[in-house]
Amino acid sequence: QKEVEQNSGPLSVPEGAIASLNCTYSDRGSQSFFWYRQYSGKSPELIMFIYSNGDKEDGRFTAQLNKASQYVSLLIRDSQPSDSATYLCAVKNGGFKTIFGAGTRLFVKA
Amino acid sequence: EAGVAQSPRYKIIEKRQSVAFWCNPISGHATLYWYQQILGQGPKLLIQFQNNGVVDDSQLPKDRFSAERLKGVDSTLKIQPAKLEDSAVYLCASSLYLSQNKLDTQYFGPGTRLTVL
Repeated sequence: QKEVEQNSGPLSVPEGAIASLNCTYSDRGSQSFFWYRQYSGKSPELIMFIYSNGDKEDGRFTAQLNKASQYVSLLIRDSQPSDSATYLCAVKNGGFKTIFGAGTRLFVKA
Repeated sequence: EAGVAQSPRYKIIEKRQSVAFWCNPISGHATLYWYQQILGQGPKLLIQFQNNGVVDDSQLPKDRFSAERLKGVDSTLKIQPAKLEDSAVYLCASSLYLSQNKLDTQYFGPGTRLTVL
């Protein structure tokens, strides 16, 4: 089992729809969870992080964390073509090491 | 506030040659990371420094890779000799806090794209 798992996609959604990106992790001691966006040929840029169970909203983005299910998700409301990118889930585990998933490719159709 | 700086942006070398990458983190950031990202994969941690001490280098191929962080600021990553499988993007990241802090958020530089022929 991989430490951080994401569906590689591509996930295709129409413009204006909600995109839902999911991530599961294996270390129950994990304490912080990060979402990064990576455009093709660019480096990852931080979207948001969460460390408490529940929802955290920032503009069109909502991160959801369920530690009991070892599951974290990112919702993107009113998706735009400019949101088309690879979304990386990163988890800081109990050993203070940050592990990245392989990413989910998102394609927003105009 | 200036971001993480890296150079060079691109490098093409032949196998068995050596190469070095340079990183200047965000001012005041305590922790510096070097990652390797192969196309289609997530970043893989090679080495993590806290100030100028090594916190984790468990995935650094020490027979060919070396890294140092001078005076707790700039860092260099070296590969000698390079292999074909080293072709990747090498990302440097820095964070304000120590890695034990759950708010430890990493900010990435633009990366160096290495091609080994």
